[in-house]
Amino acid sequence: EPEVTQTPSHQVTQMGQEVILRCVPISNHLYFYWYRQILGQKVEFLVSFYNNEISEKSEIFDDQFSVERPDGSNFTLKIRSTKLEDSAMYFCASSYRGRNGYTFGSGTRLTVV
Amino acid sequence: TQLLEQSPQFLSIQEGENLTVYCNSSSVFSSLQWYRQEPGEGPVLLVTVVTGGEVKKLKRLTFQFGDARKDSSLHITAAQTGDTGLYLCAVPFYNQGGKLIFGQGTELSVKP
Repeated sequence: EPEVTQTPSHQVTQMGQEVILRCVPISNHLYFYWYRQILGQKVEFLVSFYNNEISEKSEIFDDQFSVERPDGSNFTLKIRSTKLEDSAMYFCASSYRGRNGYTFGSGTRLTVV
Repeated sequence: TQLLEQSPQFLSIQEGENLTVYCNSSSVFSSLQWYRQEPGEGPVLLVTVVTGGEVKKLKRLTFQFGDARKDSSLHITAAQTGDTGLYLCAVPFYNQGGKLIFGQGTELSVKP
């Protein structure tokens, strides 16, 4: 069964620091996503990415955030100048056609101290 | 206001019991998905329902899409401890990059 792989599984960072969360989507998938889940809250959409550009982003995804597909396999989420409220689980997901068959990774737990 | 309202938020039952959880909205959707999430893991897609009134079965799980495509239900027959987890409904927006909007989930605990 193909998987979406996320690294690291846990990241602790100081407030104000930059973090990069990494994802390897399923190899033949074309649509890539980042979601976050603050502890005890619902899964929230951050951004979708297709054809090397952002196709949709939420209000949460402000200038503090950026995404990149630096090569043919990785998909990254960069958070600049982290804040305490950025502490959450961050999930990467991918889909072949941007519909129906979404596969999520196991997430990165980000703790900002 | 939440786009998708799930109920109940929490459900604790004994093994062998039946249960139904609900996902309601005032909006009409072209499709709706159900996911299961275990602690420390990402959501796992269980099913996609597309047609109003559609019923899909996955072993002991029965999913139904409302006739008006505004709501959905998940029924579990003879629950097992392995069914414990967070059940999420979600709606894909295909014209918005395929983003998913999730409900807040139903936390199910099945006790032996």
